[in-house]
Amino acid sequence: AQSVTQPDIHITVSEGASLELRCNYSYGATPYLFWYVQSPGQGLQLLLKYFSGDTLVQGIKGFEAEFKRSQSSFNLRKPSVHWSDAAEYFCAVGASANAGKSTFGDGTTLTVKP
Amino acid sequence: DGGITQSPKYLFRKEGQNVTLSCEQNLNHDAMYWYRQDPGQGLRLIYYSQIVNDFQKGDIAEGYSVSREKKESFPLTVTSAQKNPTAFYLCASRVYSDSYNSPLHFGNGTRLTVT
Repeated sequence: AQSVTQPDIHITVSEGASLELRCNYSYGATPYLFWYVQSPGQGLQLLLKYFSGDTLVQGIKGFEAEFKRSQSSFNLRKPSVHWSDAAEYFCAVGASANAGKSTFGDGTTLTVKP
Repeated sequence: DGGITQSPKYLFRKEGQNVTLSCEQNLNHDAMYWYRQDPGQGLRLIYYSQIVNDFQKGDIAEGYSVSREKKESFPLTVTSAQKNPTAFYLCASRVYSDSYNSPLHFGNGTRLTVT
C-alpha cells in the first residue's frame, strides 16, 4: 500500500525567507509524486510533479522539489516566499496500478508573516 | 476554458435528507473522482469512475452514491445514511484512469453543511 506523510501540520515563515515543506512517501516501486496547493475554499492546483529523470523538478510560482529515493522524500522548496504563497500544500503519490488513485498527505498549512 | 465545475459552492441541508452535488467537466477526461476533505485529514477518496457507466468505491464510500451516465458528469449523492456529512467535497478528473503519472484536475469544491 502507498502512503504519504507530511510531518509539519503548520509552518510560519517571514516574507522573503526560504521555505521547505517536507514529504515522505511509502511505495514499493517507482513513485509518481506530486505537490498541489490549495487556497482557502478552493480546489487544488498542481505545483509540480516527478516520475522519472532529473531528481530536481521545477514547478510553477517559483517552487521546486527534490526527489531523494534513499530518504523516500520529495520535499518542496522556494528560495523566497511571497505573501501570496500562504495556502495549504499537499503532497501526493500516484500508483502504477490501482486505477490511478492518488494518495494524499494530510497537508501543511503555510502562514507568511509580513 | 476547459475545467471542472462544481455546483453549488455552498449547500445547506437538514439531517435525514439526501443531497446531490454536481460535477461537470469539459476536459474530455475519462476518469473522475470524488474526494472528501475535513480539517487536518487531507483528502479521502469516496468514489471514482474510470469510464462511463462504471464506478468503484473508494476508501470511504459508505453513505454515498454516484452515477456516471455521461462522460462529462459525475454527480455525488450524500444520503441520510452518511453519519457525518458536513465537509468540503472536491471533484477531480484525470485524462485516463491508468495515467498515474498525470496530475488530477480539481474543481473548486462544494461545502456541505448538514444540521
